[in-house]
Amino acid sequence: QKEVEQNSGPLSVPEGAIASLNCTYSDRGSQSFFWYRQYSGKSPELIMFIYSNGDKEDGRFTAQLNKASQYVSLLIRDSQPSDSATYLCAGNSGGSNYKLTFGKGTLLTVNP
Amino acid sequence: EAGVAQSPRYKIIEKRQSVAFWCNPISGHATLYWYQQILGQGPKLLIQFQNNGVVDDSQLPKDRFSAERLKGVDSTLKIQPAKLEDSAVYLCASSSGTPNQPQHFGDGTRLSIL
Repeated sequence: QKEVEQNSGPLSVPEGAIASLNCTYSDRGSQSFFWYRQYSGKSPELIMFIYSNGDKEDGRFTAQLNKASQYVSLLIRDSQPSDSATYLCAGNSGGSNYKLTFGKGTLLTVNP
Repeated sequence: EAGVAQSPRYKIIEKRQSVAFWCNPISGHATLYWYQQILGQGPKLLIQFQNNGVVDDSQLPKDRFSAERLKGVDSTLKIQPAKLEDSAVYLCASSSGTPNQPQHFGDGTRLSIL
């Protein structure tokens, strides 16, 4: 069964620190990966996606993908209290239907 | 651009009753997804439509859940009869269906079964 595993946390960091969120996946056929942020009681909101090995940066966020190790990560620099949320990692299974498999999410708390 | 619209936002029913949820995807998005998200879990795909055809319904409990997407735009998801374990948030998402394009989620329907 294709799985996406996330460190369940909760993860707590002080304001201004770097938050590191990690994800591993079992399906070597996965082609692209998505990070979603979900505030309590709200729907998932796309942060960024990555499909090439290496790093992808967008403002304070950096996604890293290592297909050989089947590992994806999200770094949040200069963490703010407003970043406090659950972060969901999702892998695209490829094929013709682009089905996403989600991890359980990591709860991040940024303390002022 | 208008986002994915869902209704109702909340629904409370008793077990063995029926319930229906509605979703209107982002205009032009060919692919529509229904997810079930139980508290503390990530979303689990129930069914995926490409236009008005079903692409994947392997995790849909077909003895009680049904979904349709007539005319390839709006979609409804129905549960009949509901069980206690169906208490969850039901999320609708849509995407253009092209490679590596993200799915965009609606606000969801929070279902409570008494």
